[in-house]
Amino acid sequence: AQSVAQPEDQVNVAEGNPLTVKCTYSVSGNPYLFWYVQYPNRGLQFLLKYITGDNLVKGSYGFEAEFNKSQTSFHLKKPSALVSDSALYFCAVRDRDDKIIFGKGTRLHILP
Amino acid sequence: ETGVTQTPRHLVMGMTNKKSLKCEQHLGHNAMYWYKQSAKKPLELMFVYSLEERVENNSVPSRFSPECPNSSHLFLHLHTLQPEDSALYLCASSQRRQPAEQFFGPGTRLTVL
Repeated sequence: AQSVAQPEDQVNVAEGNPLTVKCTYSVSGNPYLFWYVQYPNRGLQFLLKYITGDNLVKGSYGFEAEFNKSQTSFHLKKPSALVSDSALYFCAVRDRDDKIIFGKGTRLHILP
Repeated sequence: ETGVTQTPRHLVMGMTNKKSLKCEQHLGHNAMYWYKQSAKKPLELMFVYSLEERVENNSVPSRFSPECPNSSHLFLHLHTLQPEDSALYLCASSQRRQPAEQFFGPGTRLTVL
């Protein structure tokens, strides 16, 4: 069965430091992987996706994610965190049958 | 915003009321989705419509009734809800059968008294 795991409920990072939000997946076949961000009282916003090609994917607001097939991971990263990056982040996987599974979300706190 | 609008943004209803949530997308997509987001629970996919046909119904209670009159509009009709149905209801759209991202509306915050 396909699944997505975000092992951390919350991640705290000091402003200016690099940040990583973890995601691992389990899916048959080649995965399509996504990251979304949700600010308070808003819907989810698309950040980036991996379909094929380069393992390092660049997205909105300076975020990037690295696809690692051997570790079945798709961690979200940013070299220098901003206080405005504080939000809820969701990893999602879409399989060949078009089924979409979201992770439970990781709350990111950037400390001034 | 993202081209997906939802109304109302907030709704308070009693357990005996009937109300409807509306979603509209202006992105030319051919698939639309309803999600439920509760505190401390993962995002739950409720319904999927592709080309106005319901293609997925994830064991949602019958007190939730979706309707998709055309590819741009999606409704969620609510009746005799329970307090545990209080949540943020999110609508999304995408191109079906492509590895495309979904575009989400801002959600309707529903409180059932």
